[in-house]
Order: sequence, then structure tokens, then C-alpha cells
Amino acid sequence: KAGVTQTPRYLIKTRGQQVTLSCSPISGHRSVSWYQQTPGQGLQFLFEYFSETQRNKGNFPGRFSGRQFSNSRSEMNVSTLELGDSALYLCASSTRRGGYEQYFGPGTRLTVT
Amino acid sequence: KNQVEQSPQSLIILEGKNCTLQCNYTVSPFSNLRWYKQDTGRGPVSLTIMTFSENTKSNGRYTATLDADTKQSSLHITASQLSDSASYICVVSLLTGANNLFFGTGTRLTVIP
Repeated sequence: KAGVTQTPRYLIKTRGQQVTLSCSPISGHRSVSWYQQTPGQGLQFLFEYFSETQRNKGNFPGRFSGRQFSNSRSEMNVSTLELGDSALYLCASSTRRGGYEQYFGPGTRLTVT
Repeated sequence: KNQVEQSPQSLIILEGKNCTLQCNYTVSPFSNLRWYKQDTGRGPVSLTIMTFSENTKSNGRYTATLDADTKQSSLHITASQLSDSASYICVVSLLTGANNLFFGTGTRLTVIP
């Protein structure tokens, strides 16, 4: 069974631009969660989608948004990029809500210049 | 305040030696605790998951213990190998609530020959 895939793996953007990241979960997994990981803050929860609905949301500004499609694939969008948005963005999929038994993708390394 | 603290922040050991990583948490009500291994530039991979009633769980050379009374967990690595060099992240899950995952900032383990 294929693992969680994320595209692109690396991305360089300029401050003020917007970016869309994609995540394809493991087949049969309906929950997709997104995380931001930085050296100083560690892993921080962004949001969780289950059956195309956002179920949980972390403490991030409204510039961070996401959606989930009927095939469980998910996208995350960040508008008006700031230098501080430079991070590794990870998505994780699970058969259940709430982060139980999550499988992580390799991440997208976003650099904002 | 729900928090997860890991120690030490970093650790260097010789190949073949054992080591123990610590995780203390104040998360309540507790649901489960997970240890993840994250190689540089990769997504975290689950090592163990323990619920309230479990006090030890093994995965090969990795053994996790949990003391739910003192809210402490440890990850013991036996006969370390160079491939064990990675960050180890402790994640504690709340029983209920919208944002129910709490992450430690990780222990960076380096195994040297």
C-alpha cells in the first residue's frame, strides 16, 4: 500500500505570494491533518479534515486554509506569505479522526524569501 | 496548561550503547502517548502508541514505558545503531477536545561510530 505523498517536496516563494500544497493520504484513510514544523517551535497542528469537513483547527491565522476532496486528497493554502512561514509542512493521514494512528508524509519544505 | 516536555534536547552516544529519552506531560484527560522517530528531512514515523492502561510497549530495539500516575514516559533504545540518529518526538493525545494533540519539541539523538 502506498504511503502518504506530498507535492511539491520543495518550494521557494517570495513574501506576499500565496502557495498551495497537496497531500494524498493512504488509500482508505479519510482523515488528513496538517502540521507546521520549525526548528524553534517543533510540530504545530494546523487543521484536520475528515470526510471533506474541517474538524479541528489549531491556532494559526486565517491566512492558512485548507480543503479536502471527495477522494480524501487535501490541499493547504497559505496566502500573503511571510518570512516566518518558512517551515516543513507535514500532512498525516489516518482512518480515524483525532490524530490516532497517524501516518506522516515526507513533507513540503517551504522557503519564503 | 497542557504541555509536553522532552529531555534531553540533544544526545550523542557511541554505537552499540543504550540510551533513554524522557517525556513528561501535563496533558489531561489523557488518551494516549506516542513516540515518533523523524529522520532529517523526512516525516515522523510512529514507533509506539500506549494508552492509559499500558505501561510498556516494544518495537524491536525500542521500548517505551508509561507511568500515567506521574505523567512520565521514557523511550529506551538498546544497542544503538548509526541509523538511530534522528529526532524522537513524544506526542500526547487528549481524550476529548478540538485541538487534542500536544507535541514535545523532540530529542535529537546522534549515534557516532
